[in-house]
Amino acid sequence: EVQLVESGGGLVQPGRSLKLSCAASGFTFSDYNMAWVRQAPTKGLEWVASISYGGSNTHYGDSVKGRFTISRDNAKSTLYLQMDSLRSEDTATYYCARHGRWRGIRARDWFAYWGQGTLVTVSS
Amino acid sequence: DVQMTQSPSYLAASPGESVSISCKASKSISNNLAWYQEKPGKANKLLIHSGSTLQSGTPSRFSGSGSGTDFTLTIRSLESEDFAVYYCQQYNEYPLTFGSGTKLEIK
Repeated sequence: EVQLVESGGGLVQPGRSLKLSCAASGFTFSDYNMAWVRQAPTKGLEWVASISYGGSNTHYGDSVKGRFTISRDNAKSTLYLQMDSLRSEDTATYYCARHGRWRGIRARDWFAYWGQGTLVTVSS
Repeated sequence: DVQMTQSPSYLAASPGESVSISCKASKSISNNLAWYQEKPGKANKLLIHSGSTLQSGTPSRFSGSGSGTDFTLTIRSLESEDFAVYYCQQYNEYPLTFGSGTKLEIK
């Protein structure tokens, strides 16, 4: 059974940093592209970033480009999101998601599995 | 960016009825479209990808159609567990974008 378990969320002041983690199990982590998707309170889903299965290619949404960094440790089956210069508009539940295609080219496809999310609140 | 316009935003129906949800892309995305189901306390669930391909485990009462800019999710013979929020998502190009969601409630 595929499991994605996010951690690291919490309350943080504007301008500060936070690092999220996602522990993956139930599949060969190093064979799949991974992503972060967020959902602000009472809002819809917003794609944040994706990373290729080997970790060499990354893509970001415009709202986080230059502030957030997605990375992975295939030996630990763990995905990360380093969030710097946080803003109030970054307040959201952050979901870890596995892309659909096995060793997909360009990390550009659907999200086959999702975690349950971790809440990040940016407030003074 | 590809804008995804989903409608209606709210839909009320009774068990046993059939419903359709529309998703329109601001430009052609071929068949690079997925549908998801969101329920409180549960992980989001992929229902359909590639416009019409049912993900393993998705009941056959769900179907997806369309290509280019116009897509439809149809649920036939609604069951109680189908009342949820549904999102479409395009993956034809970056940034990956979602529709605004459709809340399906029991009438």
